[in-house]
Amino acid sequence: GNSVTQMEGPVTLSEEAFLTINCTYTATGYPSLFWYVQYPGEGLQLLLKATKADDKGSNKGFEATYRKETTSFHLEKGSVQVSDSAVYFCALPVAGGTSYGKLTFGQGTILTVHP
Amino acid sequence: EAGVTQSPTHLIKTRGQQATLRCSPISGHTSVYWYQQALGLGLQFLLWYDEGEERNRGNFPPRFSGRQFPNYSSELNVNALELEDSALYLCASRGQGVETQYFGPGTRLLVL
Repeated sequence: GNSVTQMEGPVTLSEEAFLTINCTYTATGYPSLFWYVQYPGEGLQLLLKATKADDKGSNKGFEATYRKETTSFHLEKGSVQVSDSAVYFCALPVAGGTSYGKLTFGQGTILTVHP
Repeated sequence: EAGVTQSPTHLIKTRGQQATLRCSPISGHTSVYWYQQALGLGLQFLLWYDEGEERNRGNFPPRFSGRQFPNYSSELNVNALELEDSALYLCASRGQGVETQYFGPGTRLLVL
């Protein structure tokens, strides 16, 4: 089935630094791709998504481009803030049939931003 | 529009007891998913309910069960609690024909 591999963390940055969190996937066809964020003590929030190849998802200054050539969906932000400190998960649907809609997640990357 | 809600926010039980967790999906969403997030681990898929029926379950023992009600809300039951059941339990809902899941804030279960 479909799977995702996410760069291992944790990642520690200073405020205003550039952020990249790598995510690569293995999939049949071209499923939608997602980034979710989990702030301390909270559930997951959808950060952005892309539904087809070459799509760029963006939200709150974060961006990720669906690249089928490299099977990647790397998360980037040009200038991080302390408030971006959280755990970031890359995800995609497992497959169709009885697994329709079920998501598989990367292991999560802990981001800590210092002032 | 109200998001996914879960109750209770925190739950403390002792080993061997039963826990019941509840989830209300976004209005109009018919699919509900349950995930377990144990400390230091990623998200593990537990159960998927759609239109009142269990559609799929993850690699968890039968003491993890649940149901979906006619209003599409859902309940997760964990029987014979074990210490390693301590985790954050997340519920997500999805509308028909779309892949995006929206998560609730979770229920943090502590088994003593």
